[in-house]
Amino acid sequence: DGGITQSPKYLFRKEGQNVTLSCEQNLNHDAMYWYRQDPGQGLRLIYYSQIVNDFQKGDIAEGYSVSREKKESFPLTVTSAQKNPTAFYLCASSILGQIYGYTFGSGTRLTVV
Amino acid sequence: DAKTTQPPSMDCAEGRAANLPCNHSTISGNEYVYWYRQIHSQGPQYIIHGLKNNETNEMASLIITEDRKSSTLILPHATLRDTAVYYCIVRVAKSGRNRDDKIIFGKGTRLHILP
Repeated sequence: DGGITQSPKYLFRKEGQNVTLSCEQNLNHDAMYWYRQDPGQGLRLIYYSQIVNDFQKGDIAEGYSVSREKKESFPLTVTSAQKNPTAFYLCASSILGQIYGYTFGSGTRLTVV
Repeated sequence: DAKTTQPPSMDCAEGRAANLPCNHSTISGNEYVYWYRQIHSQGPQYIIHGLKNNETNEMASLIITEDRKSSTLILPHATLRDTAVYYCIVRVAKSGRNRDDKIIFGKGTRLHILP
């Protein structure tokens, strides 16, 4: 079955450590996105990529980094520079220009202690 | 910034129709209205979208006012599984690569279905 996979579902890290969240899709979608969600809040866009080896900052990119070396993969690194990294992280992919075609992963809940 | 305004929460009795309003008074002529929903701790799910005509699919109906400044998502027979946060989004439907190809989510409406 085609879909988008995020791993792990739960992740714990010590403060000051970098951590990488995985996002893989087998939908042949061109575009991929990372969102952050805090309790009771909407989704905020961190980074997005429309093509391999290219990506753009979203609204809250500070303290995060991404890469897009393969069409299927869009990993997100939460660096030690991110002041409040504990959150629910969602990855999505889409066919370019088709907002109704957005497919979301099941999310990774990151807790930094 | 999200271009829509939604009530933060609503209640609906199970089996009744849930009517979720959305204001988008600054919508442009080429912008569509989209609805997504997010069940707790899951990723958002596409529900429906429309430009100016009313739309219906297996999940819901979308009623857009004639001036297009507001819309209502209708879940005809709400069940407990419809408890979720519902997001109303407006944007241009484009094809191909462009720098605006991203969804901006507001805080949505938290819908509680009451047994």
